Amino acid sequence: EVQLVESGGGLVQPGGSLRLSCAASGFTFSSYWMSWVRQAPGKGLEWVANIKQDGSEKYYVDSVKGRFTISRDNAKNSLYLQMNSLRAEDTAVYYCARETWSGYVDYWGQGTLVTVSS
Amino acid sequence: QSALTQPASVSGSPGQSITISCTGTSSDVGGYNYVSWYQQHPGKAPKLMIYDVSNRPSGVSNRFSGSKSGNTASLTISGLQAEDEADYYCSSYTSSSTLVFGTGTKVTVL
Repeated sequence: EVQLVESGGGLVQPGGSLRLSCAASGFTFSSYWMSWVRQAPGKGLEWVANIKQDGSEKYYVDSVKGRFTISRDNAKNSLYLQMNSLRAEDTAVYYCARETWSGYVDYWGQGTLVTVSS
Repeated sequence: QSALTQPASVSGSPGQSITISCTGTSSDVGGYNYVSWYQQHPGKAPKLMIYDVSNRPSGVSNRFSGSKSGNTASLTISGLQAEDEADYYCSSYTSSSTLVFGTGTKVTVL
C-alpha cells in the first residue's frame, strides 16, 4: 500500500524557516517524480514544486523561487521542502504527492499545516 | 503560472448530469493531453478522478468522464449522487515542466 506521511509543520514567525519531510513507503520511491502541493485555508490547491527521480531537475512556482528548496533522499525514501523567508501568504496545508510521468498526482499524503504568524 | 479557470460553483439534482469546465492556454491545457481532475471532500486530501484527459483510475465510478477541446477541458458527472458533493480541481502539465491547478469548483447536489 502506497503511503506518504508528512511531518514538520507548525507555527513560525514571518521571516522564519521550516523544513517539511515526507516519508514514502509501499512503492519504489526512486522511480517517481515527487511534488509538494499546498492549500491555504479555505482556498484552492496550488502546486509548489517538484523533483525528478534522481534529483537532477527541480521546478518551482514563481511565488516560492529563491525561498523554498525541494530535495530528496532516495536511500531514506524521503522528500523534503526547506522553506526560508516565510510569509503570511505561505500559510497552508502542505501535501506530499507522488507524480506520474504525465504530470498527474496519483497519491497524496494527509498534509501538514504550516502557519506563518507573529 | 496563472491558475486554470473553473466556475466557482455548479449544482444539480440527484440523477442529473453536470459538467465542469477548465480553461487554460496553449501552454498548458491546449498543448498537452495531460489534464487531470481531483475530488476533494472537506478536511480530506484530494482524490484522483480522471487522468490524461479522459482516463479513469481503477475504482473510480464510470459516472465520471473527461474530455478536452482546444484550451478547455471538461469533467462530466452523470447520475449525480449525494456523495458527489465536493470540490473539484483540474490540473495540467505545462510547457515550463511545472503543474498548474484550476481555481476549483464547488459541486452542490440539490
